[in-house]
Amino acid sequence: DVKVTQSSRYLVKRTGEKVFLECVQDMDHENMFWYRQDPGLGLRLIYFSYDVKMKEKGDIPEGYSVSREKKERFSLILESASTNQTSMYLCASSRALLAGEKLFFGSGTQLSVL
Amino acid sequence: GQQLNQSPQSMFIQEGEDVSMNCTSSSIFNTWLWYKQDPGEGPVLLIALYKAGELTSNGRLTAQFGITRKDSFLNISASIPSDVGIYFCAARDNYGQNFVFGPGTRLSVLP
Repeated sequence: DVKVTQSSRYLVKRTGEKVFLECVQDMDHENMFWYRQDPGLGLRLIYFSYDVKMKEKGDIPEGYSVSREKKERFSLILESASTNQTSMYLCASSRALLAGEKLFFGSGTQLSVL
Repeated sequence: GQQLNQSPQSMFIQEGEDVSMNCTSSSIFNTWLWYKQDPGEGPVLLIALYKAGELTSNGRLTAQFGITRKDSFLNISASIPSDVGIYFCAARDNYGQNFVFGPGTRLSVLP
């Protein structure tokens, strides 16, 4: 089974702190994604990466950056956390986008910024 | 932009009843995925569909890829309490890098 592992289930941080959210997948997937999920707004794409050291902005990249130094790991960075970044963060991965691909999610990180 | 609509938004059913929900769009897609999400957890993939008209089952779950490629349906037979959760559809066309998601259908099962 594909496993997407997010390093923390719950995080509490203070405004202005630098926050790292880590995600690791074990299926040699080319694509990795970071979403945030908020009540009433559904899943919104923050950033994605289709290869090592490659990154593309999603729909809501402001206030975030990402790093993909190794194929299996995709990190989301909040340079200076703000209260409006309190949310559930979901990492996902998939093979290169050919026919038959599936998108697999991690268990999520619930981030609270105080 | 591309959008997915899901209906119903929420539903309350009795244990043992069958459930139907759907996902529609004005755009054509070539891949449809159905997910279930429990509170505080990440979405878990239930069924994947890749061909128009395709009907696929996973236990008590059955999903269909609509002939027009603009919709998909998920049915759950003989519901049980652990079916409670939010069901999401996701879709992708052959040109986009990314999936689009529906807003979800919240299912409650009454004993």
